[in-house]
Order: sequence, then structure tokens, then C-alpha cells
Amino acid sequence: DAGVIQSPRHEVTEMGQEVTLRCKPISGHNSLFWYRQTMMRGLELLIYFNNNVPIDDSGMPEDRFSAKMPNASFSTLKIQPSEPRDSAVYFCATQTGGTDTQYFGPGTRLTVL
Amino acid sequence: GNSVTQMEGPVTLSEEAFLTINCTYTATGYPSLFWYVQYPGEGLQLLLKATKADDKGSNKGFEATYRKETTSFHLEKGSVQVSDSAVYFCALSPYNQGGKLIFGQGTELSVKP
Repeated sequence: DAGVIQSPRHEVTEMGQEVTLRCKPISGHNSLFWYRQTMMRGLELLIYFNNNVPIDDSGMPEDRFSAKMPNASFSTLKIQPSEPRDSAVYFCATQTGGTDTQYFGPGTRLTVL
Repeated sequence: GNSVTQMEGPVTLSEEAFLTINCTYTATGYPSLFWYVQYPGEGLQLLLKATKADDKGSNKGFEATYRKETTSFHLEKGSVQVSDSAVYFCALSPYNQGGKLIFGQGTELSVKP
């Protein structure tokens, strides 16, 4: 299995631009989690989906952030407009029902100038 | 609320030294407990886990015991290697909350030859 796939691996953009991060879960995994990692705040859960339905988005920092999971094979995290304080590494993780182990992707390093 | 507190790093050890990384938690109910490891430039990988009190998780020479009376899940290894250099995260998954993870701040371990 290829594991969790995230793209792009690195993104550099300017303040005010729209940013879209992508995640392809492991086949058969029905839960998907988006995390953000920064030096100041550590690892934070932003949102998670179960069977493509958003279950808990209480960690989404503000309305500039949105996430979708249109099907079992794909999820996006969008930031519009982006700000320098959004600079972080964003991880996608997936999990199969009945287990409690999450599998993390390699992350997307976002830099907003 | 739910939270995880880890000892601060960085921790620097010589090869073959004994390792302890302290982790304590606050949770309602009966969470599952985890240690994840992050190697440079990579996503997190599950190292070990324990799902109930007095369970011991172990993997690759690392061990941690779920201590409900002290709300702790300290990570230990008897003899570290240079290849163990990484960031270690303690995490809990609250009972019946869809598998979401709450992480500690991470402890960076550096092992010198």
C-alpha cells in the first residue's frame, strides 16, 4: 500500500492567495483527520471525517479554513485568503473503523509570505 | 477536559543510555494512550499503544505502561541507538469520540554516538 498521500509536499504562497492541500487516504480507511503542526502550538486537530461526513470541526481556526471530503478517496483543506500565521506543516491521517491507530501522511509544509 | 503533558526537550543521550520520557494526561472516562514517533521530514508513526489500565505497550525495545492511578504513560527504552533520534509524541484518544487524538507537545531526542 502506498500509505496516505499528501500533495503538494511544499507550498510557498503570498498573503491573500488561496491555498488548497490534498489528501488521498489509505484504501478502505473510513476516518480522515487533518492536523496542523507549529512550533508554538504543537499538533492540533483541525477537523475529522467519518465515512466522508465532517464529525468535528471545532479545531478549524476561523472561517478562512474549509475542508471537504467529496468521496472516500479524496479530501481537501482550503485556506482563503491565506495569512503568514497559517505557515505550518499540515498532516492528513486516516484510520479504519474498529481500530484506534491513525496512519499519517508525510505532511505539506506551507509557507505564507 | 482532555490534555496531555510531556517532559520538555530536547533530551540528549549517549548511545546505549537508558531513556525515560515522562507523559501525564487528564481525561474523562477511559482513554486509549499512544506514543507516536516523528523522524525528520516525515509524518508521525505509531510506536506503541495501550487501551486500558495496567496494559503495557511495547515495540522496538520501547515500553510504556498505562498507569491510571498516576494518570501516566511514561516511555522507556533500556539502551538507545543513534537511529532513535526523533521527536516523540504522547497522545490520548478520548473514549467514544471517533478516534480523535490529543497530542502532547512532543519531546525531541538526540542520541550521540
